[in-house]
Amino acid sequence: AQSVTQLGSHVSVSEGALVLLRCNYSSSVPPYLFWYVQYPNQGLQLLLKYTTGATLVKGINGFEAEFKKSETSFHLTKPSAHMSDAAEYFCAVSVLSGNQFYFGTGTSLTVIP
Amino acid sequence: DTEVTQTPKHLVMGMTNKKSLKCEQHMGHRAMYWYKQKAKKPPELMFVYSYEKLSINESVPSRFSPECPNSSLLNLHLHALQPEDSALYLCASSQEASGVYEQYFGPGTRLTVT
Repeated sequence: AQSVTQLGSHVSVSEGALVLLRCNYSSSVPPYLFWYVQYPNQGLQLLLKYTTGATLVKGINGFEAEFKKSETSFHLTKPSAHMSDAAEYFCAVSVLSGNQFYFGTGTSLTVIP
Repeated sequence: DTEVTQTPKHLVMGMTNKKSLKCEQHMGHRAMYWYKQKAKKPPELMFVYSYEKLSINESVPSRFSPECPNSSLLNLHLHALQPEDSALYLCASSQEASGVYEQYFGPGTRLTVT
């Protein structure tokens, strides 16, 4: 079975500061990992994904994440927060043979001017 | 075109009404999904269609009835809903129903049951 834990349901950072959103997963087989962002009253938008290959994945809007198998983690980072980054962020895990995503509980990011 | 469209954007219905939510994609995707999302919560999977056949029904009450008329369209028929069914209903699609493919989400339908 697969599961995702997102530590910190609320994260606040100052504008221009580093953004770090944590995601740990549990999977008995090689996982596929995704980060999605959801702005108010909108659907989910894919930020980035890891399937195979390079463990450091770059996504849209300056975000990146690193797959660390030994730590079962896939933390999301951005060097410098922008006001427009304020949103809800969801980490998700799936597996090749599976036909559904398992979402974490989400992290609400607030950016302070 | 990487867009999933959903209509209507907002829907208010009484507990005795019958209504339908519609979802459309033109990316050639063969898997389509319905999710229910409550405020500040992750999406909860309701149904998965793969090649127009229902492959997953996550124990959803029968007052929700999905339909996939063709590979581009997905409907969710609603009947005799309860106030606790009020939520954002999201449609998504992916190339195939395999975990390796990312899901593309529509903007959702905000449903209020009165």
